[in-house]
Amino acid sequence: GENVEQHPSTLSVQEGDSAVIKCTYSDSASNYFPWYKQELGKRPQLIIDIRSNVGEKKDQRIAVTLNKTAKHFSLHITETQPEDSAVYFCAASSRRDDKIIFGKGTRLHILP
Amino acid sequence: NAGVMQNPRHLVRRRGQEARLRCSPMKGHSHVYWYRQLPEEGLKFMVYLQKENIIDESGMPKERFSAEFPKEGPSILRIQQVVRGDSAAYFCASSPLSGSSSYEQYFGPGTRLTVT
Repeated sequence: GENVEQHPSTLSVQEGDSAVIKCTYSDSASNYFPWYKQELGKRPQLIIDIRSNVGEKKDQRIAVTLNKTAKHFSLHITETQPEDSAVYFCAASSRRDDKIIFGKGTRLHILP
Repeated sequence: NAGVMQNPRHLVRRRGQEARLRCSPMKGHSHVYWYRQLPEEGLKFMVYLQKENIIDESGMPKERFSAEFPKEGPSILRIQQVVRGDSAAYFCASSPLSGSSSYEQYFGPGTRLTVT
């Protein structure tokens, strides 16, 4: 089955700097890659997603890139702000079973 | 359009009791997923259901855990004879039946189960 690895587990960046979180997946049939943000005690919220027919997608300060050959995808947050502090999860899903497999999460700290 | 609803939000059970967690998907969504999240850990897939059908329960423990999604009413995750290790947050997510957005999953607020 699918296995998603996520790095780093913890990331601290200065406010205003960029943050990058990287994930790899194992199942070449995976074709949907969402990213979720979870604040303390809250539900995971979908912030951006990418499908395998594109290599990059951007939404304001957030961008995601996908390299199908290498089976890895990344989340980029630019001009980080205090409210970006949260746990971020990457995930992968294939049409084969419609199941989304999550990475273990990255705890992002934005330092003042 | 109300989001995914879960109740109760907090549930305390003594060891050996039963826990019933409910999830009502978003309007128009017919796929329901249950995940378990232990403190400081990620989301672990448990089960995927459509109305009256279990599609994939590969993440569910073989004993004590069961799930259903009846034709009418919410999806229910049932844990029998709870043990301390069952203490976790249980999240439900739903997604639409079909279409270009058929994979997007929207999460409910979760049920935090504490076993004493």
